[in-house]
Amino acid sequence: DGGITQSPKYLFRKEGQNVTLSCEQNLNHDAMYWYRQDPGQGLRLIYYSQIVNDFQKGDIAEGYSVSREKKESFPLTVTSAQKNPTAFYLCASSIVQNSNEQFFGPGTRLTVL
Amino acid sequence: DQQVKQNSPSLSVQEGRISILNCDYTNSMFDYFLWYKKYPAEGPTFLISISSIKDKNEDGRFTVFLNKSAKHLSLHIVPSQPGDSAVYFCAASYNFNKFYFGSGTKLNVKP
Repeated sequence: DGGITQSPKYLFRKEGQNVTLSCEQNLNHDAMYWYRQDPGQGLRLIYYSQIVNDFQKGDIAEGYSVSREKKESFPLTVTSAQKNPTAFYLCASSIVQNSNEQFFGPGTRLTVL
Repeated sequence: DQQVKQNSPSLSVQEGRISILNCDYTNSMFDYFLWYKKYPAEGPTFLISISSIKDKNEDGRFTVFLNKSAKHLSLHIVPSQPGDSAVYFCAASYNFNKFYFGSGTKLNVKP
């Protein structure tokens, strides 16, 4: 079945450690996105990528980094520079950036202790 | 500065009745609007969308209304079913660029 997978579902890390969240899609979508969701807030865009080896900062990119070495993969690294990393992280993809629909993965809940 | 706002964090409706979820936006450049539905511990799933050239789009029990002059859109669910209980997010974009999401409204449909 085609879809987007994010792993793991729950992730715990100590403060000061970098952590990488996985996002894989087999939908052959060009564009991929990372969002963060906090209680009482909407999804906020962290980074997005329209094509392999290219990506752009979203609205809250500070403290995060990404790579897009393969079309199907868009990992997100939460660095120690991110002041408040505990959140629910969602990955999405779309056919091209100019798409009217994004398909979302199940999300990863990151808790920094 | 939130460009898309959902001012009602929760809504409770009796099964069979109409559910109306509201969304307001501030950016007049937005030309595409979407509604997503989200169950706990899952990613949002696309529900229905509307272009700014329309004022209504219908898909089965779901209808989205757009009032551009008021910068307001709403999602109507008729009749509401217990399986509709979820968090609903509205989203907006312009020129299919970045999407801006509201904070969500939690709908509870009581049997």
